[in-house]
Amino acid sequence: KAGVTQTPRYLIKTRGQQVTLSCSPISGHRSVSWYQQTPGQGLQFLFEYFSETQRNKGNFPGRFSGRQFSNSRSEMNVSTLELGDSALYLCASSYDAYGYTFGSGTRLTVV
Amino acid sequence: QQQVKQSPQSLIVQKGGIPIINCAYENTAFDYFPWYQQFPGKGPALLIAIRPDVSEKKEGRFTISFNKSAKQFSLHIMDSQPGDSATYFCAASSAGGGADGLTFGKGTHLIIQP
Repeated sequence: KAGVTQTPRYLIKTRGQQVTLSCSPISGHRSVSWYQQTPGQGLQFLFEYFSETQRNKGNFPGRFSGRQFSNSRSEMNVSTLELGDSALYLCASSYDAYGYTFGSGTRLTVV
Repeated sequence: QQQVKQSPQSLIVQKGGIPIINCAYENTAFDYFPWYQQFPGKGPALLIAIRPDVSEKKEGRFTISFNKSAKQFSLHIMDSQPGDSATYFCAASSAGGGADGLTFGKGTHLIIQP
């Protein structure tokens, strides 16, 4: 079966712009989580959605937001981009909040 | 403070050897401990996971050892192969990593030499 699909794979944005990343979970998976991966901070939890509801959010500023649609697809948005937002953004899905499957990520570069 | 401390940062092992990666946690509410493998340009892939009610779990060449009293767990890779060269992350969570997310270690860069 198809895995977790993230689009686009690569993005280059300018400081101050906003960006929207997309994630299509594995069919049947209801939980979608987002993580930021950087060399310095490693993998950090951004937020998790279950049945279109955000259940929790990690320690990130309000510029980071997300949503989940009725078909479980999810988007995350980062507004007013800063250089420090350059990272690999990973989406993961699960049927029951265990055994998360990750996508290959979106590499965001802010210049 | 929810933390998972992982060691070593990097590890070089000869083919056939048994690399061991260790993790320690602080939050006693953690009840799910997965290990992920990540290759360059790819997302992390779930290798094996354990719950605190068992002390060891094996899946193929991968084994997790879990010490609840010490709040430590480790990954052993039996008969290691060059194809196992990757970055390995331990993680921990309560309630499976859903509502509170997975807390990851900093990763171990493993090289298996032929």
